[in-house]
This record gives sequence, structure tokens and C-alpha cells, in this order.
Amino acid sequence: SQKIEQNSEALNIQEGKTATLTCNYTNYSPAYLQWYRQDPGRGPVFLLLIRENEKEKRKERLKVTFDTTLKQSLFHITASQPADSATYLCALDETSGTYKYIFGTGTRLKVLA
Amino acid sequence: DVKVTQSSRYLVKRTGEKVFLECVQDMDHENMFWYRQDPGLGLRLIYFSYDVKMKEKGDIPEGYSVSREKKERFSLILESASTNQTSMYLCASSLRTALNYGYTFGSGTRLTVV
Repeated sequence: SQKIEQNSEALNIQEGKTATLTCNYTNYSPAYLQWYRQDPGRGPVFLLLIRENEKEKRKERLKVTFDTTLKQSLFHITASQPADSATYLCALDETSGTYKYIFGTGTRLKVLA
Repeated sequence: DVKVTQSSRYLVKRTGEKVFLECVQDMDHENMFWYRQDPGLGLRLIYFSYDVKMKEKGDIPEGYSVSREKKERFSLILESASTNQTSMYLCASSLRTALNYGYTFGSGTRLTVV
């Protein structure tokens, strides 16, 4: 069956450290993978998109990798801050190259001051 | 900035009522989506539309219908609300290919059916 897995347990890290979140998928062949941030009671906010032929993408303190062999994406926040505390969702296009994305359940990150 | 506006943040409805959830976007996006989000289940797609008057079922369309008479507006209808439809409902829009800009979500409507 098709699955997108994100660590359901909350991730707690100290301020200033690098947070690394994982997104694994099974029985999909996405052309694109996205990451979103969601704050409690709000809608997700788009952060980054990475294409299947890109190994790595960066935006300010954020870095995303995409390994189609391992079927995994890693999301890094460097020099983390308490304001980075939120739930982070990964999403991939359900059928390669379409506009319809399937979302993971998200990982809650808490950055401790 | 693209704005996706959902008509209500909180709604309480009675079992059996017909419920309308409205969503409006202001950036001429072709695609619009309705998701529901429940703890432990994540975002699940109910319906989506890639053009005016076009709609396609998502993963959990039962008990729901949609309407897209104008490009900017996508309505979700609960024909006869039931308690298992208590959830957070999220509307989203995107350009046709949803590439560089991803989806833009509304703030959500928390619906409680009693």
C-alpha cells in the first residue's frame, strides 16, 4: 500500500542546534516533494519544493534533501530558534508530475530556549 | 500575496443539518482543494477542482459534495452533517502545476457537529 511516514513523536531540540526531520514514502514515485509548516489552529504554509532530479535545496536556514533511491526526504533547520517550533508536513505528488499532493501526518518540532 | 479566505473559523451545527463551507482565493489559481485534518490521520483530500464547474473526488468524498461556479470560489457541502464529520476543514488553491509556489491554504474552519 502507499504510505508517507513522518515521525509522529515530537522532536525536542535546544536552541541553536540543527533540527532534522524525516519523510519516508512507499509505493510512490513522486516528481516533486514539498515541505510545509503548520502552527496550531492554522493552515499549513508552503516552505520549499524539491524536484526528483535535485539532491538538495536551500532557503535561508532551511535545507531539504531528496533521495529517490532511499525514498526519503530530510528537512533541516540550522541554528534553530524557539520561533521555529511548529508541525512540519511533507507532501508529494500522488502521480508523478501532477498537481495533486498527498500529505504526511507531520512531525511536531519544539525548540527549547 | 495570495489569499485564501474561509468564511468561518468556527462552526457548530446539528446532526442532519446541511452545511456550507465557503472558500475564496484572490490570485486566479486554477486548482482548488478541500481537505479535512484529524489528529493522527493528517490531511485527507475530500474533493478538488482544476477548473470552473470541474470537480474530482479525493480520498474521502462520501457525505460531501462541492460546487465551483466561479474560478475564485470553491464550496464544500455536507449534505446531512454527522458527528463523524467533526473536524478541521482546510481549503487550498494552487496554480495548475503547483510547482514553485506550492499550495496556499486558508486558516481553516473547525466544524463541530453535535
